[in-house]
Amino acid sequence: GAGVSQTPSNKVTEKGKYVELRCDPISGHTALYWYRQSLGQGPEFLIYFQGTGAADDSGLPNDRFFAVRPEGSVSTLKIQRTERGDSAVYLCASTSGSGSVNTGELFFGEGSRLTVL
Amino acid sequence: GIQVEQSPPDLILQEGANSTLRCNFSDSVNNLQWFHQNPWGQLINLFYIPSGTKQNGRLSATTVATERYSLLYISSSQTTDSGVYFCAVVRTGTASKLTFGTGTRLQVTL
Repeated sequence: GAGVSQTPSNKVTEKGKYVELRCDPISGHTALYWYRQSLGQGPEFLIYFQGTGAADDSGLPNDRFFAVRPEGSVSTLKIQRTERGDSAVYLCASTSGSGSVNTGELFFGEGSRLTVL
Repeated sequence: GIQVEQSPPDLILQEGANSTLRCNFSDSVNNLQWFHQNPWGQLINLFYIPSGTKQNGRLSATTVATERYSLLYISSSQTTDSGVYFCAVVRTGTASKLTFGTGTRLQVTL
């Protein structure tokens, strides 16, 4: 597509429920990132994929968070047993850079706003 | 990890004024980007500028990598320039983990 696409744009769920957030990167981009932005703060890194594999998942806050990218394109961020503190905007970004040290320009989607009641 | 600090944290300008936003970082970088986050939350790419100077219309940016800072210049500001400006960097030798600064919140008034 022309840009990074994220769905849903808004998700309201109850504490304890499971949610999935989807990211469709720019066509041809090999690297994909997930970030989380809480109110009044800058985005914080969660996980980075190069192709199908998670090259760096050091930003995932705990084992309730998991992400996959099975075919090297679309990625899904999965959150189990959601908590109120998980409420935030989840941003996805992609870049055409490759290799273990990618320095390419990142392009962000519009984000998925998650609210946990 | 790398520290990224932006100043000023908040800025109010009258339409037509010029401004300079600063980004300081604590380690060497091989990627630096400036973003504008509009009131709807969209992160808009302004510059990809790990070093040197670039200009795009009323905006320009300069990164002095050896001294670990970058500047974003906004000239003849407009109300549509309002929002939060973020600087983000990738520390040299790391696998592209973009670290965001604290942001500068800009409000342009009539």
